[in-house]
Amino acid sequence: EIVMTQSPATLSVSPGERATLSCRASQSVSSNLAWYQQKPGQAPRLLIYGASTRATGIPARFSGSGSGTEFTLTISSLQSEDFAVYYCQQYNNWPRSFGQGTKLEIK
Amino acid sequence: QVQLVQSGAEVKKPGASVKVSCKASGYTFTNYGISWVRQAPGQGLEWMGWISGYDGNTNYAQKLQGRVTMTTDTSTSTAYMELRSLRSDDTAVYYCARESAAVAGTRGFFDYWGQGTLVTVSS
Repeated sequence: EIVMTQSPATLSVSPGERATLSCRASQSVSSNLAWYQQKPGQAPRLLIYGASTRATGIPARFSGSGSGTEFTLTISSLQSEDFAVYYCQQYNNWPRSFGQGTKLEIK
Repeated sequence: QVQLVQSGAEVKKPGASVKVSCKASGYTFTNYGISWVRQAPGQGLEWMGWISGYDGNTNYAQKLQGRVTMTTDTSTSTAYMELRSLRSDDTAVYYCARESAAVAGTRGFFDYWGQGTLVTVSS
């Protein structure tokens, strides 16, 4: 099973600033990596797939990078609606696996 | 538009079974798979398994093997997840999600999600 590790667990950032979230896979997942955003009481929402492709309707301030075992989600200028929990997920192998999440909170 | 609509909340006693449904609309059901993901209170996301909308093939998480069964009814574009021998640590919100992997061995991410079904296991 591929273990996904996200860091940091919690990230405190001010609105308008840049946020950088990291995700590491225990073995290569190529570019088969997705990022999801989850707000309290809601289902997760797909942000990024293929490590760097934005899903339909996702603002350009969200960008993903990386391949193999190291990945990054960057939010260039944080808006109030961006404060949420973010999960990475690999879909290179079964079982699919998620990171434990990074909570992005207002500083 | 693509929609996944799940059945309502359930309360079950330990040892019982629960069956959650996920009705799909807005796309060709047989061109995609459905994965099930659960989230215990205050915890992260846990993948439970996948079923092909094309041929009904399944792939389950090892820890749930023997307790979970996923099925589909292509005539109604509905996926089902049944979990048996429920324990208190099965208390969670259960989500279905459309996965672009329609057949085994292919790769897919989860692009649409159901609204979630809360299953509470309590004596």
